[in-house]
This record gives sequence, C-alpha cells and structure tokens, in this order.
Amino acid sequence: GAGVSQTPSNKVTEKGKYVELRCDPISGHTALYWYRQSLGQGPEFLIYFQGTGAADDSGLPNDRFFAVRPEGSVSTLKIQRTERGDSAVYLCASTPQGGGAPETQYFGPGTRLLVL
Amino acid sequence: SQKIEQNSEALNIQEGKTATLTCNYTNYSPAYLQWYRQDPGRGPVFLLLIRENEKEKRKERLKVTFDTTLKQSLFHITASQPADSATYLCALPSSGGSYIPTFGRGTSLIVHP
Repeated sequence: GAGVSQTPSNKVTEKGKYVELRCDPISGHTALYWYRQSLGQGPEFLIYFQGTGAADDSGLPNDRFFAVRPEGSVSTLKIQRTERGDSAVYLCASTPQGGGAPETQYFGPGTRLLVL
Repeated sequence: SQKIEQNSEALNIQEGKTATLTCNYTNYSPAYLQWYRQDPGRGPVFLLLIRENEKEKRKERLKVTFDTTLKQSLFHITASQPADSATYLCALPSSGGSYIPTFGRGTSLIVHP
C-alpha cells in the first residue's frame, strides 16, 4: 500500500567507512532502480534490478559500489571505503514491470549521505 | 548516450501567469519523454509522459509538447499557483530501446503570490 521507503533518511559517515542504504519498493513492483543526485543536478542512474538480478549496473561509478536484491523486493546499496565525493542524495525508484514499455518511476524520499 | 539541457536558472513568475519550461536533447530522438516534479528534500514525482507520435498532451493545468524536429519539449503550467513552485525534471530513455531514464538537471520554478 505505502510508497517507496528508504532508510536511513540521513547518514553521516567518515571517509573510508562502509555504509549500507536500504530501499523498500512498492509491494509487487518487479523493477528497482538506484540513482544518485548531487546538488543542482538531476538523478543519475546507478543500477537497475529486474527481480533479484541486476539487469544493468552500468551506472555504478566504480567497484566500491555494490547493490543486492536477494529476494526480489528490498534492496541494499553498499558503498565501501567512502570518499567525500560520494556525498549526495541516493534515490531509489520502483516500477511494476521494468523493461518492455515506458513506466512511471515511483521514487522514495532518498537517503542523504554526507561523508566527512 | 542522451544529453539533456534544461535551463539551470530559476524561472520566477507571478501567480496566475503561465509558466513555460524547456527541455532540449541533443542525440537520438526518443520514443517518449517524461516530466517529473521534485520538491526540496523529496524524490521526483511523475507528472506526464508524451510519446514521439503525440504533439501535445494535457492534464488539468499542465500541457506538454514534443517537437522531434527541434528536439525539444515544452512544459506549460497555466494559471500558476505558489504551490506549483518546485523543480521540474524532464527524462528520456538513456538510449534507443532502453527504458532506463536519463534525467535533466531540472529547472526551478518559483511562483510569487
């Protein structure tokens, strides 16, 4: 019933630390997307899941970023050895089907990550 | 990949006037284009989708046009209200055949009472 939720809403960490960001998509939505949004910019695509599998991870900036969706619903974005440049709002979106036709993206409120 | 241009300067208008926002793209012509609204501290919210074979789409006070020759979409809000103040993002498929959207940077609209 509820929309896309993301936790935590804010995360402050120190350079070099590991963080996990969680996304709960709309129930029944097959496709899940992660984006990163810097101040004054639009959302930048990171990775797209179709069910449990990562159908497209071409937007992940480097191997410090990894995401999973083991049961095809909740997804976790993991960032290792965080850098100050990772500071941004991380947005999650879900769609009913994914692929095959244009769909409305339903976004969560985002997690604001600040790396000190 | 697609490059999208939206005016980075905020658009300031008076309540009751029509706001017009522009989205230009530079590479291949997409099969469709979407407009989203984003309020501070929140995720984008879908407003309208227009397909390449549609010249115009309307929803209440919103109107979107799509000119594949000019590679441009215009987004209009008629009888604007202060509550329309937000950032408006356009989004296009990242490449031919893809349904992963590429977003523009958005244009901030400020409607003054």
